[in-house]
Amino acid sequence: AQTVTQSQPEMSVQEAETVTLSCTYDTSESDYYLFWYKQPPSRQMILVIRQEAYKQQNATENRFSVNFQKAAKSFSLKISDSQLGDAAMYFCAYRNTPLVFGKGTRLSVIA
Amino acid sequence: GAVVSQHPSWVICKSGTSVKIECRSLDFQATTMFWYRQFPKQSLMLMATSNEGSKATYEQGVEKDKFLINHASLTLSTLTVTSAHPEDSSFYICSARADRGFADTQYFGPGTRLTVL
Repeated sequence: AQTVTQSQPEMSVQEAETVTLSCTYDTSESDYYLFWYKQPPSRQMILVIRQEAYKQQNATENRFSVNFQKAAKSFSLKISDSQLGDAAMYFCAYRNTPLVFGKGTRLSVIA
Repeated sequence: GAVVSQHPSWVICKSGTSVKIECRSLDFQATTMFWYRQFPKQSLMLMATSNEGSKATYEQGVEKDKFLINHASLTLSTLTVTSAHPEDSSFYICSARADRGFADTQYFGPGTRLTVL
């Protein structure tokens, strides 16, 4: 069975700085998708970024980028120029049917 | 695009009554929808997978007679909590997987907060 591990329950970052959230996963499949979702205090789950495993190039979406290390089964999220609105729970997820979620990392942004 | 709505956003009911929650994909078709439950400060727990035109697939430990799921069309799935009890109080979230485009991406509704008195 696939598992997703987020080893950092809480993280904090100064506004305008960069922070990296860690995620590792376990799977025997070779082709799959990985996601980062953000859940702000409103509790609406928002897709931040997705990565297709067959693509070697790391996905980027504006200030958000990933470091995808397939051999190491690692999928970290980097947030650059952190903003107050980035404060939220961040969930790493592995695409299966259905999604397999990590336990989440709560990110605080300090003004 | 890829908007999912949920209704109601919050509901308070008396113990023993039933509550229906609707999940709609507004601008895409979704053969498959998912229902999750989330406890405070925890991750999402999958309850069931809802497939249009067929019976839902429930996760182990989820009572299918208590949590009735109906996926009547390609844009609508409903979750009915029957004979609700205080322990059913929780945050319920649905998601929909698009049939086209990024078919492996799930888009989430805003959630429904259920309080059973």
